[in-house]
Amino acid sequence: DAGITQSPRHKVTETGTPVTLRCHQTENHRYMYWYRQDPGHGLRLIHYSYGVKDTDKGEVSDGYSVSRSKTEDFLLTLESATSSQTSVYFCAISDTRDSAPSSYNEQFFGPGTRLTVL
Amino acid sequence: LAKTTQPISMDSYEGQEVNITCSHNNIATNDYITWYQQFPSQGPRFIIQGYKTKVTNEVASLFIPADRKSSTLSLPRVSLSDTAVYYCLVGFSGGYNKLIFGAGTRLAVHP
Repeated sequence: DAGITQSPRHKVTETGTPVTLRCHQTENHRYMYWYRQDPGHGLRLIHYSYGVKDTDKGEVSDGYSVSRSKTEDFLLTLESATSSQTSVYFCAISDTRDSAPSSYNEQFFGPGTRLTVL
Repeated sequence: LAKTTQPISMDSYEGQEVNITCSHNNIATNDYITWYQQFPSQGPRFIIQGYKTKVTNEVASLFIPADRKSSTLSLPRVSLSDTAVYYCLVGFSGGYNKLIFGAGTRLAVHP
């Protein structure tokens, strides 16, 4: 399995509090992603990173910010958590392949973080 | 907003072949189609990937017609351990922020 860890694995917090989730990789992959998974919606991309300090928004980025100061770490921050952000959050990593167009990368997923906002 | 469409659920029995189809009408010229498998309380795991025609590996086959507006994941002779949610992933118009997962197909394999 790809070396991806997420912390914490479970968290319960209250509305209005800040929350930071951490993704750590040991694979030295260039790309890192944050997804949320909710029933009926599958996986939705929140933010992604294509290098240190290089990030961009995904499909559902409102209310979230990210930072990547080192290749191995990608942080997801909920500045002021809301109940609608209760979800399971997955981090994923990928790297480029010389034979594939840049829009494609096989992604390796972490174990997930279950966040509950009361 | 461009998206993929998959059946919500499917049922099968051990030993049967299962075919799951994903529709992706707005797929871009350079986009690949990738399928992932997810078990409860785990992250998704890569199964197979293709661009056109047919791709086969040790666990599945992927059929992509010439117009590439859909793809079919084929699982031969399923077992109980194949019970999972299956997602197709297609990139739209390039760019990682346009990668769209389908809502997933929940496959239940019965004895």
